[in-house]
Amino acid sequence: DGGITQSPKYLFRKEGQNVTLSCEQNLNHDAMYWYRQDPGQGLRLIYYSQIVNDFQKGDIAEGYSVSREKKESFPLTVTSAQKNPTAFYLCASKGGSEAFFGQGTRLTVV
Amino acid sequence: KNQVEQSPQSLIILEGKNCTLQCNYTVSPFSNLRWYKQDTGRGPVSLTIMTFSENTKSNGRYTATLDADTKQSSLHITASQLSDSASYICVVTPNRDDKIIFGKGTRLHILP
Repeated sequence: DGGITQSPKYLFRKEGQNVTLSCEQNLNHDAMYWYRQDPGQGLRLIYYSQIVNDFQKGDIAEGYSVSREKKESFPLTVTSAQKNPTAFYLCASKGGSEAFFGQGTRLTVV
Repeated sequence: KNQVEQSPQSLIILEGKNCTLQCNYTVSPFSNLRWYKQDTGRGPVSLTIMTFSENTKSNGRYTATLDADTKQSSLHITASQLSDSASYICVVTPNRDDKIIFGKGTRLHILP
């Protein structure tokens, strides 16, 4: 079954801890994206990658880091420098004319 | 700057009624324009996709229109159902293969 998978669906962390969100796709897409969504708000771009071993900052990259060592994987690390990390995080990949989205990870920092 | 603006921000209608959501964009040239439905706490799901040369595209009770001259798109929902309660997001892909441009979405609430 082709698709894009995010894990876990729910994640709880203590304040000050780094946490890594997983995003895997088997669609053979070059481009992958991470978005943050807050309640009642639109999607905001954190980081994106157009090709393996390359990525660019989006609109709200501060406090986040990514890597793109494999085409299939684009993990996002939420660092302790991110002041307000509790949010819904969406990963997407794009190939051809359509973007595909994961089901999201809801991160709660307590 | 490439932008996508959606209106209204939120909308409440009674079950069975029709509604129309708007999307204005400044992205040009663009590869395609898509409408997505996002249920709360879930990832967006594609409803329709149109290239710049298409005027209308239907998917069941959803009909999207595109006017490339005025740079406007609309999503019309016919005979609304409770399950239509969701956010509807307009997404434009520029010709250059880089960022995807998202609208902020319209939150639709269907009342029984």
